[in-house]
Amino acid sequence: AQSVTQLGSHVSVSEGALVLLRCNYSSSVPPYLFWYVQYPNQGLQLLLKYTSAATLVKGINGFEAEFKKSETSFHLTKPSAHMSDAAEYFCAVSDGGNTGNQFYFGTGTSLTVIP
Amino acid sequence: EADIYQTPRYLVIGTGKKITLECSQTMGHDKMYWYQQDPGMELHLIHYSYGVNSTEKGDLSSESTVSRIRTEHFPLTLESARPSHTSQYLCASSEWGSSYEQYFGPGTRLTVT
Repeated sequence: AQSVTQLGSHVSVSEGALVLLRCNYSSSVPPYLFWYVQYPNQGLQLLLKYTSAATLVKGINGFEAEFKKSETSFHLTKPSAHMSDAAEYFCAVSDGGNTGNQFYFGTGTSLTVIP
Repeated sequence: EADIYQTPRYLVIGTGKKITLECSQTMGHDKMYWYQQDPGMELHLIHYSYGVNSTEKGDLSSESTVSRIRTEHFPLTLESARPSHTSQYLCASSEWGSSYEQYFGPGTRLTVT
């Protein structure tokens, strides 16, 4: 069975500081992993995805994530936070099974950027 | 432009009313999904479809029903709305295959009074 754990439901960083949002996964098969961002009253927008190519994945808006199999982690980072990064972030794993790409989402991390 | 649309965006309705939340996508995707999301909480899959005439229930028990008569259209219906149905409903679609991301609509925020 697949599952995702996001450590820290709320993260606050100062503008210009490093952003680190944590995601650990559990998967019985090689995982496909995704990070999404959700702004208030909107749907989810894909930031980046890992599909077994390069372990360091670069996404939109300066975000990147590194797949670490030994740590079963897929943490999201951004070197310098911007006010516009304030949003809810979701990590997800795809089941990769015969049911197609059902996603299992984490509980989300709310990012606050302090001016 | 290829996209996924949901209407209405916001809906306030009284208890006992029948409602249909619309979802359409112009990307030609076979797979479509409905999620329920409560504020500050994870997404729960309530229905999904592999293609036309295919519908399945998701992990979260729901009193809603869905239909898939056309590839691009995946409406969700509540026969008798209750306050416990108050939530945000997100529709998504994807290509077939585990490595493909899901594309999300903007959501419908439903309030049942």
